[in-house]
Amino acid sequence: NAGVTQTPKFRVLKTGQSMTLLCAQDMNHEYMYWYRQDPGMGLRLIHYSVGEGTTAKGEVPDGYNVSRLKKQNFLLGLESAAPSQTSVYFCASGYPDRGKGTEAFFGQGTRLTVV
Amino acid sequence: KQEVTQIPAALSVPEGENLVLNCSFTDSAIYNLQWFRQDPGKGLTSLLLIQSSQREQTSGRLNASLDKSSGRSTLYIAASQPGDSATYLCAVLGDYKLSFGAGTTVTVRA
Repeated sequence: NAGVTQTPKFRVLKTGQSMTLLCAQDMNHEYMYWYRQDPGMGLRLIHYSVGEGTTAKGEVPDGYNVSRLKKQNFLLGLESAAPSQTSVYFCASGYPDRGKGTEAFFGQGTRLTVV
Repeated sequence: KQEVTQIPAALSVPEGENLVLNCSFTDSAIYNLQWFRQDPGKGLTSLLLIQSSQREQTSGRLNASLDKSSGRSTLYIAASQPGDSATYLCAVLGDYKLSFGAGTTVTVRA
């Protein structure tokens, strides 16, 4: 059971470049989340999805887009990377069949540096 | 907007001492509360999940309590060990969103 898998694990981008981070889960979870973690700021929610084909904005959505075309995948896109987007990105999934008494699981993170 | 606060921000104790970590949240309309552990440079590992109808949950040396009406949870770690050194995060599940505190960084001195 792989759980939540994030690809890639590390990436260095130049300012203005674009990229897509992939999150895949094999637990049939309805909800998926993208967070960023910065020193002293904790985990901040970027976007989330409550089911296939749905997405919604979190606390810090600007500069990011997401898509959930398949239930098991949640993609985070950076259209034009900026140094302020240097961070560690975490994906999480949880709550099969919208059962909110179950726990959320996290991927191992993607360390992104924008130069 | 849900605000989650963790106190203290950092804690250093000698080995063998019990640890008490606090988490408070402003909106009591939650579905569950989850405690995580994060080691430096690593992802989040789930420690305990407390559903909104529960008062506490236990796993080995870990015990977490939940007082939903007052918006508080406490994580107790008994007989701390150097391997318990990590950052501990609490998160509450509201309507759709999982909201996190900033964490408590624990150092257990041998």
